[in-house]
Amino acid sequence: QQKVQQSPESLTVSEGAMASLNCTFSDGTSNNFRWYRQHSAKGLEVLVSIFSDGEKEEGRFTAHLNRANLHVSLHIREPQPSDSAVYLCAVPSSGSWQLIFGSGTQLTVMP
Amino acid sequence: EAAVTQSPRNKVTVTGGNVTLSCRQTNSHNYMYWYRQDTGHGLRLIHYSYGAGNLQIGDVPDGYKATRTTQEDFFLLLELASPSQTSLYFCASSDGGNSDYTFGSGTRLLVI
Repeated sequence: QQKVQQSPESLTVSEGAMASLNCTFSDGTSNNFRWYRQHSAKGLEVLVSIFSDGEKEEGRFTAHLNRANLHVSLHIREPQPSDSAVYLCAVPSSGSWQLIFGSGTQLTVMP
Repeated sequence: EAAVTQSPRNKVTVTGGNVTLSCRQTNSHNYMYWYRQDTGHGLRLIHYSYGAGNLQIGDVPDGYKATRTTQEDFFLLLELASPSQTSLYFCASSDGGNSDYTFGSGTRLLVI
């Protein structure tokens, strides 16, 4: 059964400084990993989808996937106060493509 | 624009009450999902469906029923609501496989 853990639980960065979020999982055999952003208990928007080991960039958001190390990270370049939100990683369920979500990292970007 | 619409946005009910949460998607997606979101747990899958008339059990199904009446409509039913079901509920749709999920804006349910 896939287990997902996000760290840190909360992160405060200054505007313009790089923000790095982490996600570890227990089963790296699948290939469907995503990062979502959620503003104040609203819906989720997908930021980056990554399906193979390495790096995937979408604008200011870069995901790094290393399935051997059971780790996927999200780096936000030049974060702005409007990026303050909860960030959720989603990884494939064991033996399935269904997504399992982490509990989230609350990011606060200070002006 | 393709979308997932949930109703109501907010709902208050009493313990033992009967609640129906509605979800409609205009994405022509085959799969629809109901999740609940609670502090410290992320999103947990309650039920999902891959087409009209189909229902699959998720990870936390106890106390919930669901029904997929059409390709577009997926309902979550709480027939005897309990305070432990106070939560933020999300509906989503996807085409399965590695396709993206589209989420609704959520329904906040309070059971008193």
